[in-house]
Amino acid sequence: AQSVTQLDSQVPVFEEAPVELRCNYSSSVSVYLFWYVQYPNQGLQLLLKYLSGSTLVKGINGFEAEFNKSQTSFHLRKPSVHISDTAEYFCAVSETGFQKLVFGTGTRLLVSP
Amino acid sequence: NAGVTQTPKFQVLKTGQSMTLQCAQDMNHEYMSWYRQDPGMGLRLIHYSVGAGITDQGEVPNGYNVSRSTTEDFPLRLLSAAPSQTSVYFCASIRTGGFEAFFGQGTRLTVV
Repeated sequence: AQSVTQLDSQVPVFEEAPVELRCNYSSSVSVYLFWYVQYPNQGLQLLLKYLSGSTLVKGINGFEAEFNKSQTSFHLRKPSVHISDTAEYFCAVSETGFQKLVFGTGTRLLVSP
Repeated sequence: NAGVTQTPKFQVLKTGQSMTLQCAQDMNHEYMSWYRQDPGMGLRLIHYSVGAGITDQGEVPNGYNVSRSTTEDFPLRLLSAAPSQTSVYFCASIRTGGFEAFFGQGTRLTVV
């Protein structure tokens, strides 16, 4: 069965510093990988996805992620964060249909001045 | 274009009461899903639908019923609410052939 692990429940960082949010997955078949962002009191919105092809994917708001099949990872990175990036970030995997996403437990990114 | 609309936004129920959480989308998406979000557990799939008249169970279906009589609507029913169902509920939809899930703003449910 597929699963997603986000080891960091909270990541504090200063504004303009780089950040990496870690995501590892397990699956017995090929998967599709996603990062979603949830701003306070909002629903989730798609940040970026890996479906196939290039392992480095770019998303909205300057975020990017790299799919590493050998390490079963899909870490999210941003070279310079802003206060407005403060939110909760969820890694998700799908192997049997996009309507059946399996989410990680989320990482709260806290950006301070 | 409203996207995915969930009502109500907040609800308090007493144990044993029933209620229906509403979800409507105006994007003509075939796929719709319900998730619950609990602290430290991320989002977990309750039920999903691949089209009108077709529903199936997700990871945590117990205590919840769904039906899909139209493409637009996908209500979630709690027949007899329990404190363990205190959570934030999200509805999502995806178009056929698409991959991006569009989420509603959530319903915060408290069962006392």
